[in-house]
Amino acid sequence: NAGVTQTPKFRILKIGQSMTLQCTQDMNHNYMYWYRQDPGMGLKLIYYSVGAGITDKGEVPNGYNVSRSTTEDFPLRLELAAPSQTSVYFCASSPRRDRGSLEQFFGPGTRLTVL
Amino acid sequence: AQKVTQAQTEISVVEKEDVTLDCVYETRDTTYYLFWYKQPPSGELVFLIRRNSFDEQNEISGRYSWNFQKSTSSFNFTITASQVVDSAVYFCALLQVYSGAGSYQLTFGKGTKLSVIP
Repeated sequence: NAGVTQTPKFRILKIGQSMTLQCTQDMNHNYMYWYRQDPGMGLKLIYYSVGAGITDKGEVPNGYNVSRSTTEDFPLRLELAAPSQTSVYFCASSPRRDRGSLEQFFGPGTRLTVL
Repeated sequence: AQKVTQAQTEISVVEKEDVTLDCVYETRDTTYYLFWYKQPPSGELVFLIRRNSFDEQNEISGRYSWNFQKSTSSFNFTITASQVVDSAVYFCALLQVYSGAGSYQLTFGKGTKLSVIP
């Protein structure tokens, strides 16, 4: 199993550009999450999904959009990039509570810089 | 609202010293879960331990041990005989379970950067 994979690993955007951060998991997990980590800070939840077709906002959703058309994929969309979105983005997944551990499995992260 | 406080921003120890990382949490839930994650310089997040609110037994895994005390809302992490490879940022996190939505939201502390000096 590859676990949770994220692409790209690094990206530099100009203000106002848009991009999609890709996230894929091969563990058949129902739940998926997007976090951002700012320097010297813990992770903050952007969006999460409990299954295909179902998404909901986390703590810091402004400026982002998500979709979940399949169990495996959970892309994060930035429509109009702003310097405040410079951060490291982590995708994570976890099984449903009745199907195993509550542990969230994290991808390697995407380092995004907006100039 | 949930909150996780890791008051120690940075700690430096000399190799082979013991070190304890503090974690204090706040929650109104009676059922919750606590986690520790390690983030080495390479950047990935590595799961270390999960503890549920009904299990206050301390746990030891090799050089790592965890002390969970509900009375003080603390979940402290001790590394015995520290090694250079232990140098990393360590995050404590609290899991809130929404019974209706069926999902879980992790609240992270800001992390403690541990530097182990040879």
